[in-house]
Amino acid sequence: GESVGLHLPTLSVQEGDNSIINCAYSNSASDYFIWYKQESGKGPQFIIDIRSNMDKRQGQRVTVLLNKTVKHLSLQIAATQPGDSAVYFCADQYSSASKIIFGSGTRLSIRP
Amino acid sequence: DTGVSQNPRHKITKRGQNVTFRCDPISEHNRLYWYRQTLGQGPEFLTYFQNEAQLEKSRLLSDRFSAERPKGSFSTLEIQRTEQGDSAMYLCASSLGPGQGAYGYTFGSGTRLTVV
Repeated sequence: GESVGLHLPTLSVQEGDNSIINCAYSNSASDYFIWYKQESGKGPQFIIDIRSNMDKRQGQRVTVLLNKTVKHLSLQIAATQPGDSAVYFCADQYSSASKIIFGSGTRLSIRP
Repeated sequence: DTGVSQNPRHKITKRGQNVTFRCDPISEHNRLYWYRQTLGQGPEFLTYFQNEAQLEKSRLLSDRFSAERPKGSFSTLEIQRTEQGDSAMYLCASSLGPGQGAYGYTFGSGTRLTVV
């Protein structure tokens, strides 16, 4: 069945350092992966996505890496800022017509 | 249109009562999704609509839950005979439909239900 999971429930980083959040998935048929950010009291907000025919994609201060061999996904946030404090979810979708399935999330906290 | 709107933001109800939540999607979006999120967990899929047709329902959606989207615009989620285990955040999202990817998947801020 579909399943995505996070390696760590919490991550604490120094402001200005890079953050790396990891995720594993189990469905080999998944062809689309997404990272969401959720702040307290708000719904999930899209950060970046990647299709299975790619292994890396960059956005503004964020990079997603996909390793299909080991079914691993990571989100890298460069120069972490206080505003990056949130829960981060990886999610997958095994076809453009299907729903998005979420993992359980990693809470990122920033040390001043 | 400022995004997906959900009402109410918070609802406290006594066990056994019925509750109804409303979601107003982005106006041009023809897909609408309902998710449930409990503390510390990711959102869990409940159901989705393509226009007014309910295309998929999760096994999580027991007989006490019903969702409608009568005119293909706003949607309601009703929970009958609420139980304490129904306490959660209920999230609504909308999108343009197949092929749009997650970039077009916009979430509302949710309705937090507390059953006492």
